[in-house]
Amino acid sequence: RKEVEQDPGPFNVPEGATVAFNCTYSNSASQSFFWYRQDCRKEPKLLMSVYSSGNEDGRFTAQLNRASQYISLLIRDSKLSDSATYLCVVTGMDSSYKLIFGSGTRLLVRP
Amino acid sequence: DGGITQSPKYLFRKEGQNVTLSCEQNLNHDAMYWYRQDPGQGLRLIYYSQIVNDFQKGDIAEGYSVSREKKESFPLTVTSAQKNPTAFYLCASSIWVADETQYFGPGTRLLVL
Repeated sequence: RKEVEQDPGPFNVPEGATVAFNCTYSNSASQSFFWYRQDCRKEPKLLMSVYSSGNEDGRFTAQLNRASQYISLLIRDSKLSDSATYLCVVTGMDSSYKLIFGSGTRLLVRP
Repeated sequence: DGGITQSPKYLFRKEGQNVTLSCEQNLNHDAMYWYRQDPGQGLRLIYYSQIVNDFQKGDIAEGYSVSREKKESFPLTVTSAQKNPTAFYLCASSIWVADETQYFGPGTRLLVL
């Protein structure tokens, strides 16, 4: 079983739609959780951290469910510029600083 | 402008050849990392360095070597022992190793001729 699992997609949605991605992780001891965004053939960039209480940044909302070991990302009012791959990242099993990356969920927003 | 630079953007390796990928940062970060990304897969950690003159193996260190002689620089050598080197290589840094916010360079694509 992969340490971090994501639906690869692609999720193909029209502009203005709301879309949600989930990610599951295997290590119940993981302490920190993140969503990164990666554009085609570019480096990943931190989108947002995920806190136990949930957090929102503009059109983006992240939620953490520790009991079920999953993380979600909700994007409201999708823009064409949101088209990218979204990587779920958690801290590793053996040390808090080791990041474990999911393989990503691809989002395509169409006009 | 502070940031991380990687060079070259594209690199071609012949069979049996060692090649070195450059990574430089001017963020004054102590920790630096090398990852490999293959199509449809997550990033995998090759090596990391907590501080100058120190580095540790990650999950897939075989066939790779690194050095950390300067705080700003963390070059990665892909040796001939790495049998499947074709991938996208990403360098990252963080303020210190326990800071989970990592900043990435633009990456180097390595292709085998």
